[in-house]
Amino acid sequence: GAVVSQHPSRVICKSGTSVKIECRSLDFQATTMFWYRQFPKQSLMLMATSNEGSKATYEQGVEKDKFLINHASLTLSTLTVTSAHPEDSSFYICSAYGQIHNNEQFFGPGTRLTVL
Amino acid sequence: AQTVTQSQPEMSVQEAETVTLSCTYDTSESDYYLFWYKQPPSRQMILVIRQEAYKQQNATENRFSVNFQKAAKSFSLKISDSQLGDAAMYFCAYRRDTGANSKLTFGKGITLSVRP
Repeated sequence: GAVVSQHPSRVICKSGTSVKIECRSLDFQATTMFWYRQFPKQSLMLMATSNEGSKATYEQGVEKDKFLINHASLTLSTLTVTSAHPEDSSFYICSAYGQIHNNEQFFGPGTRLTVL
Repeated sequence: AQTVTQSQPEMSVQEAETVTLSCTYDTSESDYYLFWYKQPPSRQMILVIRQEAYKQQNATENRFSVNFQKAAKSFSLKISDSQLGDAAMYFCAYRRDTGANSKLTFGKGITLSVRP
């Protein structure tokens, strides 16, 4: 149990376009989802916390208009990178929290975004 | 603010030997949770072990055990009988509580290689 999926696993897009990444909790209801960004050989950097049905809370330094987060249901959160640029290329990971299994956060497999 | 420090960027261990990964943290809380996560080349985050600060007994999961020194704010991971599959990046993490919006604070991570 406690499976989190992300789609797509890899995406390549042209500079200036927008990209949407989905994070789904497959077998539990996720009241909260977290979005992280990770550069190669570096740690996970929390970008934002999203709660179902409300606006996301962004970490300091993360552009809200650049990284749009929507958590429309208890099983789905989306991250949209708007007007992507090469510096947005990174590995994006989501995690989902549900009141199961010791209230852990369960991580998705990540999405590799490459902006040309 | 809570901080997690992993000062060793890389370590290497011979297969079947034991290795200890270090982690220190800083917090003003008395109750909190500590974790070790493994990130193999697939980039999927895997929970290795969890320690509740109120528990004096060190957590153990098969070949993985921790040395939790609350007064020293130290939380090291010992891997016994190292296997090739243990090669990965390992992150130490802190969480203040098990609430829905409680964030994970990660250390910088350590890359562990296992020599056959």
